Amino acid sequence: GAGVSQSPRYKVAKRGQDVALRCDPISGHVSLFWYQQALGQGPEFLTYFQNEAQLDKSGLPSDRFFAERPEGSVSTLKIQRTQQEDSAVYLCASSTVADLYNEQFFGPGTRLTVL
Amino acid sequence: QQPVQSPQAVILREGEDAVINCSSSKALYSVHWYRQKHGEAPVFLMILLKGGEQKGHDKISASFNEKKQQSSLYLTASQLSYSGTYFCGTLLRGGSGGSNYKLTFGKGTLLTVNP
Repeated sequence: GAGVSQSPRYKVAKRGQDVALRCDPISGHVSLFWYQQALGQGPEFLTYFQNEAQLDKSGLPSDRFFAERPEGSVSTLKIQRTQQEDSAVYLCASSTVADLYNEQFFGPGTRLTVL
Repeated sequence: QQPVQSPQAVILREGEDAVINCSSSKALYSVHWYRQKHGEAPVFLMILLKGGEQKGHDKISASFNEKKQQSSLYLTASQLSYSGTYFCGTLLRGGSGGSNYKLTFGKGTLLTVNP
């Protein structure tokens, strides 16, 4: 079956532009996560959805970052007024249920470069 | 709270063994291991739970020492396909609001297997 897909795979933005990153989770997966991965680092938690509810957004770096999942499937991560420090790979992951026992399935990521 | 992985990098010849370690300063519920190849999505390897339960691939083995808050991933008879960056992700005990979904990843261990 299809895995987690993300689009675009690469995005170049000028500083100050807004960007929108899309995630298509595995069909039927209740839980969806966004991570930010800087070069040479592990993924860092940004936010978590259970169905359409955003239960945790404690990892979002600033109020320029906004995520939504309005129908409980596709999710969009929006970054407003991008800054150079936003350059990173943004990973999306989904799981059947977010708990101790279930693995997260990751998408290939969107590599964002802010010039 | 980020777990510490060691070594940072290891180079093997095909058929050799390796051990990757992950340690935390906090009490853990579980440890999750992922492998990421360059430009690709992290792929699930194993979950180790408090109490000894494990979930993962047959060809990968790992241990979880709850008292020491440490986990080790054992790669035996390495194959070329084992090359990649290995990340451990930890779930902390006592997370607020029952946040038993919030993985904190280490910086990774780069494994290179040569012919």
